[in-house]
Amino acid sequence: GENVEQHPSTLSVQEGDSAVIKCTYSDSASNYFPWYKQELGKGPQLIIDIRSNVGEKKDQRIAVTLNKTAKHFSLHITETQPEDSAVYFCAASLTNFGNEKLTFGTGTRLTIIP
Amino acid sequence: EAQVTQNPRYLITVTGKKLTVTCSQNMNHEYMSWYRQDPGLGLRQIYYSMNVEVTDKGDVPEGYKVSRKEKRNFPLILESPSPNQTSLYFCASSSPSGGGGETQYFGPGTRLLVL
Repeated sequence: GENVEQHPSTLSVQEGDSAVIKCTYSDSASNYFPWYKQELGKGPQLIIDIRSNVGEKKDQRIAVTLNKTAKHFSLHITETQPEDSAVYFCAASLTNFGNEKLTFGTGTRLTIIP
Repeated sequence: EAQVTQNPRYLITVTGKKLTVTCSQNMNHEYMSWYRQDPGLGLRQIYYSMNVEVTDKGDVPEGYKVSRKEKRNFPLILESPSPNQTSLYFCASSSPSGGGGETQYFGPGTRLLVL
């Protein structure tokens, strides 16, 4: 099955600086790569996603890049703000007989230092 | 408001006492799923359902049961809970298009402690 590795597990950056979180996946058939943000006491919420036919996607201060050959994808947050502090999960999805199963990374706790 | 709701949000129980965690979505989604979240392991899929009366095992189904009698509801049942089922549980739903990769919406989570 799919295996997703995520690094780093914790990340602290000064407010206004950029943050980068990296993930690798094992199954070359995976075709959808979402990123979720989990705030304290809440469920994961999708912040951005990318499909395997696209190399990069941007939405205001966040962007995701995908390298299918190397089987890795990254989340980039620019001009970080205190409200960006949360746990971020990457995931890879392979639709198999209708099962939209997400295989998650182990999460990155991002702390923005004011 | 489109949402996935779970109840209860917090639960403390004892080994062997049957419990049910309810999940309901108001988005008319066909696909629903249960995950558990444990430190250092991310979220792992327990069971999923592609539609009413259609359920199947995920990666960690041992000790759990599910049912899907109505489209909006997908309860998670622990017939005889054990301490290793202490975890944070999330229900999720989506409306698959067939091509894969549809946004999954997560509930707020249920924190379970089994003594």
